[in-house]
Amino acid sequence: EDQVTQSPEALRLQEGESSSLNCSYTVSGLRGLFWYRQDPGKGPEFLFTLYSAGEEKEKERLKATLTKKESFLHITAPKPEDSATYLCAGGSNYQLIWGAGTKLIIKP
Amino acid sequence: NAGVTQTPKFRILKIGQSMTLQCTQDMNHNYMYWYRQDPGMGLKLIYYSVGAGITDKGEVPNGYNVSRSTTEDFPLRLELAAPSQTSVYFCASKGTANTEAFFGQGTRLTVV
Repeated sequence: EDQVTQSPEALRLQEGESSSLNCSYTVSGLRGLFWYRQDPGKGPEFLFTLYSAGEEKEKERLKATLTKKESFLHITAPKPEDSATYLCAGGSNYQLIWGAGTKLIIKP
Repeated sequence: NAGVTQTPKFRILKIGQSMTLQCTQDMNHNYMYWYRQDPGMGLKLIYYSVGAGITDKGEVPNGYNVSRSTTEDFPLRLELAAPSQTSVYFCASKGTANTEAFFGQGTRLTVV
């Protein structure tokens, strides 16, 4: 059965304290691993797509990486405005298989 | 470019009432989706469509219906609303199986 699991459920960091979020996946015929950011009361906002193991993508303080079983979202020197829920999803034919998300809180 | 537009943004229904959540996209995307998101939970797929005239059930379809008469529109119908349908509903679309999905801003529905 296709499954995506994110950890931790919540993460509290001090401003400037780097860390990583994990997304483990079992998706047959994976057609992309997607990362989204969701702010309270809003729809998910697309961040990255990774298609093959070893691929990396960066955007400001965020870097996403992909292996054959996991994806990591590394956040470097985060700021309070990076606080949000981060969702990952595995693409499978017509659908996206979603993780439950990691709620990231950055304290000033 | 408006992207994905959902209406209404908020709605309160009484038990047993019906309503339609509207979703329109202007990106000429073939794939469209309806999700529900309960507090602190991930997205659960209700229905999806791979093109006009084609719809299929997702993970949690009971109590809902959809139609896709045009590429742009994908309305979600709730019949006989129940408290268990209190949730935030998101519509999304994407162009191909390999590309990212774009989301609307959501409809917050409360059934009392």
